[in-house]
Amino acid sequence: EMQLVESGGGLVQPGGSLRLSCAASGFIFSNYYMGWVRQAPGKGLEWLTNINKDGSGKSCVDSVKGRFTISRDNTKNSLYLQMNSLRAEDTAVYYCARIDWSLDLWYFDYWGQGTLVTVSS
Amino acid sequence: DIVMTQSTLSLPVTPGEPASISCRSSQSLLHSSGYNHLDWYLQKPGQSPQLLIYLGSYRASGVPDRFSGSGSGTDFTLKISRVEADDVGVYYCMQALQTPTFGQGTRLEIK
Repeated sequence: EMQLVESGGGLVQPGGSLRLSCAASGFIFSNYYMGWVRQAPGKGLEWLTNINKDGSGKSCVDSVKGRFTISRDNTKNSLYLQMNSLRAEDTAVYYCARIDWSLDLWYFDYWGQGTLVTVSS
Repeated sequence: DIVMTQSTLSLPVTPGEPASISCRSSQSLLHSSGYNHLDWYLQKPGQSPQLLIYLGSYRASGVPDRFSGSGSGTDFTLKISRVEADDVGVYYCMQALQTPTFGQGTRLEIK
């Protein structure tokens, strides 16, 4: 059974850092692009960043550029999100999601259950 | 950025009745391949989002055929032929033609 399990969320002070992990199982992780999406409390969904199969290509939304970095370790079937210089507005549930990609078209076909990040003093 | 607009934020529906959710984009989502880069996701209460429809009109694996997606260019519709209690939640459209953006979401509730 396919699973994506996020971890690493918690309470962090403004200006602090946090590293989220997403453990993948049930599929060949290295065959897929992956991404992160977040959802602030009571709000909608916001795409953050994607990474290609071998980690050599990344893209991210302007609001987190320079602060958040996506990475992956295909030997560990794991996806990561390094978050630095955290702000109160980064408080959200963070989802990792698998990407189905073909013909330059893509979508998120499976999502993890999410991990909550709270930025507060 | 492409702005996605779901004009209906709340949609009460009687079980067994049809439902229609609209999504409009500020730019055409028609890709050079001929596919529309528009997807629909459902977030049930307390759960993570799940893919319903991809590339405008293709049902994801395991999605009942009560769900259908249509539209092209800038106007898209998700239709549920007969609403069931399990369909409650927030429906989001998302474009990935450019920097991905989601609509605000439409909350479907049972009357």
